[in-house]
Amino acid sequence: KNQVEQSPQSLIILEGKNCTLQCNYTVSPFSNLRWYKQDTGRGPVSLTIMTFSENTKSNGRYTATLDADTKQSSLHITASQLSDSASYICVVIDNYGQNFVFGPGTRLSVLP
Amino acid sequence: DGGITQSPKYLFRKEGQNVTLSCEQNLNHDAMYWYRQDPGQGLRLIYYSQIVNDFQKGDIAEGYSVSREKKESFPLTVTSAQKNPTAFYLCASMRERNTEAFFGQGTRLTVV
Repeated sequence: KNQVEQSPQSLIILEGKNCTLQCNYTVSPFSNLRWYKQDTGRGPVSLTIMTFSENTKSNGRYTATLDADTKQSSLHITASQLSDSASYICVVIDNYGQNFVFGPGTRLSVLP
Repeated sequence: DGGITQSPKYLFRKEGQNVTLSCEQNLNHDAMYWYRQDPGQGLRLIYYSQIVNDFQKGDIAEGYSVSREKKESFPLTVTSAQKNPTAFYLCASMRERNTEAFFGQGTRLTVV
């Protein structure tokens, strides 16, 4: 069964600190992996899209990694800000390109 | 200003009533999707449409119906047959397979 798991379920950090969120998946065949940021009560917004051949991709203070062999991805947030408080959702798209398998998300709280 | 718009933001429904959630996009995207989001769970696919006048059931279609009479619009009706409709509903659109997916801001439906 195609699944996406994320850890931790929730995370609290102090402003200015770094953190890393994890994503493991069993989706096959694999097309690409995406990280989304979702503010409370809002729709998800794309952070990165990674294909099979990409190991690392950055978007400002966000850096995503992908290990297609172990089927793991991580999202590293550098120098966190209060506005980073949100849920971060890992999504894996199968090889047909239209089936999205969503993880449950990691709820990040950044405190002053 | 291009984008995908959902309305209303909040919706209250009495038991036994049908309600319709609106989703409109001016991105000229062919594919549109409806997802349901419950606390602690990943987004689950209700219905999707790849082209006007055609739509397919997703993983949790029971108790829901859709139409796709225009490319820009993909309304979702939550019928009285849906036994647990209280949730956050998200609409998304995509130009074609493996391209960026854009989400609306969501509609929170509550049964009273």
